[in-house]
Amino acid sequence: KAGVTQTPRYLIKTRGQQVTLSCSPISGHRSVSWYQQTPGQGLQFLFEYFSETQRNKGNFPGRFSGRQFSNSRSEMNVSTLELGDSALYLCASSQLAESYGTDTQYFGPGTRLTVL
Amino acid sequence: GDSVTQMEGPVTLSEEAFLTINCTYTATGYPSLFWYVQYPGEGLQLLLKATKADDKGSNKGFEATYRKETTSFHLEKGSVQVSDSAVYFCALSIYGGFKTIFGAGTRLFVKA
Repeated sequence: KAGVTQTPRYLIKTRGQQVTLSCSPISGHRSVSWYQQTPGQGLQFLFEYFSETQRNKGNFPGRFSGRQFSNSRSEMNVSTLELGDSALYLCASSQLAESYGTDTQYFGPGTRLTVL
Repeated sequence: GDSVTQMEGPVTLSEEAFLTINCTYTATGYPSLFWYVQYPGEGLQLLLKATKADDKGSNKGFEATYRKETTSFHLEKGSVQVSDSAVYFCALSIYGGFKTIFGAGTRLFVKA
């Protein structure tokens, strides 16, 4: 079974631009979560989707948004990029979304975003 | 709120040394506890987990026991190898919370 895939793997943008990152979960996984990883803040939860519905959102400004499609693929968008948005963005999928608490998260390799 | 605290790194050990990475948590509900590992240039992968008190998770020689009385989930390995060099993350998730909370990560270096 193919793992979680994320595209693109690397991205360079300038301040003020917007960016869209894509995540394809493992086949059969219906829950997709996004995390931001930085050296200073560690892993911060962005949002979680299940069946095209956002079930939880982390403490990030409204410039960060996401969505999930009917095939469980997910995208996240960051508008009006700031220097501090430079990070590794990780996507994770899980299978038993109805009982989220015990699920294992399967992570993709991440998208490295650099904002200049 | 819910949180995870793990020992700061980096931790540097010689091959075959004993490893302990401390992890404590604060949770309002009944969490499941996890250890994930991140190798250079890769995403995280599950190392082991425990879903209820007194459960022991184990994998690849690593072990951790869910201690509700001390709210801890310390990671141990009896004899580390160079290939164990990575960043280790302790994490929790609450049933119905729809998110996983991670500790800051502990970087482990193992010298030959």
